[in-house]
Amino acid sequence: GAGVSQSPSNKVTEKGKDVELRCDPISGHTALYWYRQSLGQGLEFLIYFQGNSAPDKSGLPSDRFSAERTGGSVSTLTIQRTQQEDSAVYLCASSPNRGSYEQYFGPGTRLTVT
Amino acid sequence: ILNVEQSPQSLHVQEGDSTNFTCSFPSSNFYALHWYRWETAKSPEALFVMTLNGDEKKKGRISATLNTKEGYSYLYIKGSQPEDSATYLCAFSAYNFNKFYFGSGTKLNVKP
Repeated sequence: GAGVSQSPSNKVTEKGKDVELRCDPISGHTALYWYRQSLGQGLEFLIYFQGNSAPDKSGLPSDRFSAERTGGSVSTLTIQRTQQEDSAVYLCASSPNRGSYEQYFGPGTRLTVT
Repeated sequence: ILNVEQSPQSLHVQEGDSTNFTCSFPSSNFYALHWYRWETAKSPEALFVMTLNGDEKKKGRISATLNTKEGYSYLYIKGSQPEDSATYLCAFSAYNFNKFYFGSGTKLNVKP
């Protein structure tokens, strides 16, 4: 079946512009995660959605970052007024349900802020 | 923030060498320890999930062990092949289980 998809695969933007990154999780998966990996760093947790519960936003690095998940499926991560330090690979992952050991990753979006 | 550390940061071996890397994690509130392989331009792929102290998992030439009391896991690759070249990530999930805490990875390069 279809895996997790993300778009765009690459995004180059100028400092100060807003960007939107999209994630389509595996159908039926209730949990969705956003991570980012900056150069030389590990995967950094950003935000977690579980069903209709309020998202865990504790990993968002600043108020320029926001995310939503519509209809329990597609998610959009928005970065406003991008800065060079936002350059990273942004990964989305989905899991069948809360407490599942399984986490399926998308291919990521490489964001470059010039 | 929970600290997950991996070592070494990078490793260069010759084809046929056996190798191992380490993941250390908090020993309290343990729920599960995950290993992923992340090849360039691909999605991270789950290798193992381990939940019990003393767990050992094996998949072909790759195996992993878990010590939850002291907070470490080892990943072993026997007879490395060029196709094993990738970044190997470990992730810890705590008992309240909302998040996976990832290490920075070990980047393995296997030379033919």
